[in-house]
Amino acid sequence: DTAVSQTPKYLVTQMGNDKSIKCEQNLGHDTMYWYKQDSKKFLKIMFSYNNKELIINETVPNRFSPKSPDKAHLNLHINSLELGDSAVYFCASSQESAAEPQPGEQFFGPGTRLTVL
Amino acid sequence: AQTVTQSQPEMSVQEAETVTLSCTYDTSESDYYLFWYKQPPSRQMILVIRQEAYKQQNATENRFSVNFQKAAKSFSLKISDSQLGDAAMYFCAYRSAVWTDKLIFGTGTRLQVFP
Repeated sequence: DTAVSQTPKYLVTQMGNDKSIKCEQNLGHDTMYWYKQDSKKFLKIMFSYNNKELIINETVPNRFSPKSPDKAHLNLHINSLELGDSAVYFCASSQESAAEPQPGEQFFGPGTRLTVL
Repeated sequence: AQTVTQSQPEMSVQEAETVTLSCTYDTSESDYYLFWYKQPPSRQMILVIRQEAYKQQNATENRFSVNFQKAAKSFSLKISDSQLGDAAMYFCAYRSAVWTDKLIFGTGTRLQVFP
């Protein structure tokens, strides 16, 4: 009964390829996020979606395209992969409601380690 | 823009001892949340403790407690009775109370625990 799941956990690919990472949450949350953790462990927001609508797009190259088919899923598609895209990508979710017992809290998936050769 | 600073890249502690990890942040907002996340080698991000800015009382979760100084914009994490399983990267994070806003992370502190 994993709360936030990501597939795959590891992804090794060649420069120039196109790849996707999938994220699903079964918490009934209405907001989902993608974060990138670089080789120095720094974590930074990429995108957020609320009820399938894009809310945050943090100056990410347009080779990255998030897609939210429904509020439980937020996938990340990356075109023309570059060496600098190698990182760990985390999906997270939250429920934006004052009635939430822990407002503001984001629940993270296990991460996807992407290696571009 | 808000920023989060963790000035200790690495810390170490003896098992059963107490250690404090520092975090400062900068914001002009009055309502926000602060978090400490733990990232063990498995890379899973685990929430350790959270604090709401409007609450004066410092949050505690078992062996973990915070010293929240709103005026000084400081949010340190104290780990008591340290255990080997506490060894991990610890990230301080800020989140505005604005709807659906992002987490802003510090650069992390690597904690080593020695037996």
